[in-house]
Amino acid sequence: EPEVTQTPSHQVTQMGQEVILRCVPISNHLYFYWYRQILGQKVEFLVSFYNNEISEKSEIFDDQFSVERPDGSNFTLKIRSTKLEDSAMYFCASHRQGNQPQHFGDGTRLSIL
Amino acid sequence: EDQVTQSPEALRLQEGESSSLNCSYTVSGLRGLFWYRQDPGKGPEFLFTLYSAGEEKEKERLKATLTKKESFLHITAPKPEDSATYLCAVQANYQLIWGAGTKLIIKP
Repeated sequence: EPEVTQTPSHQVTQMGQEVILRCVPISNHLYFYWYRQILGQKVEFLVSFYNNEISEKSEIFDDQFSVERPDGSNFTLKIRSTKLEDSAMYFCASHRQGNQPQHFGDGTRLSIL
Repeated sequence: EDQVTQSPEALRLQEGESSSLNCSYTVSGLRGLFWYRQDPGKGPEFLFTLYSAGEEKEKERLKATLTKKESFLHITAPKPEDSATYLCAVQANYQLIWGAGTKLIIKP
């Protein structure tokens, strides 16, 4: 069964450094998402991406964050200058049509030191 | 404000002891209610989608139901492998709005 793949599984970065989290969504999917989950808290929406542009973003997704689909298979989340509070699990999700279920990768654990 | 509340926070059952998990929600324009299962260190795994009040979905020992204000996930005769955190989410526009989850522990 096709699945969403995320790399790396764990990223440790110094505060202030840039980090790029990578995702390979399911191949025929058209809608792409990033969520994050701080330890012990709810999953939180960051951004949705469709037709090569951001379709919706949350208040969390400020100017430090950006997303890109550089080719036909990858979907990336960049955090320009990381802060301690960016430490969390980051999940990528995708689906083919608007109200179909989103399928999730196993996440990247981001630790900011 | 769109909101999802799940109860209980945690539930311990003996193997074979049936029970229900609750998800209550307020959202303007429900586009779907989703149940996911999450194992430690893993991403949410899709279980069910419900779109309208009165709808029911079933899969093995799990059954999900939906009213205008809440959804229930019924688990019948659970096994230890059903132990996980069960997450409820509602779709508003593109994003999913999540509950905090119910951690289910099934003891053999």
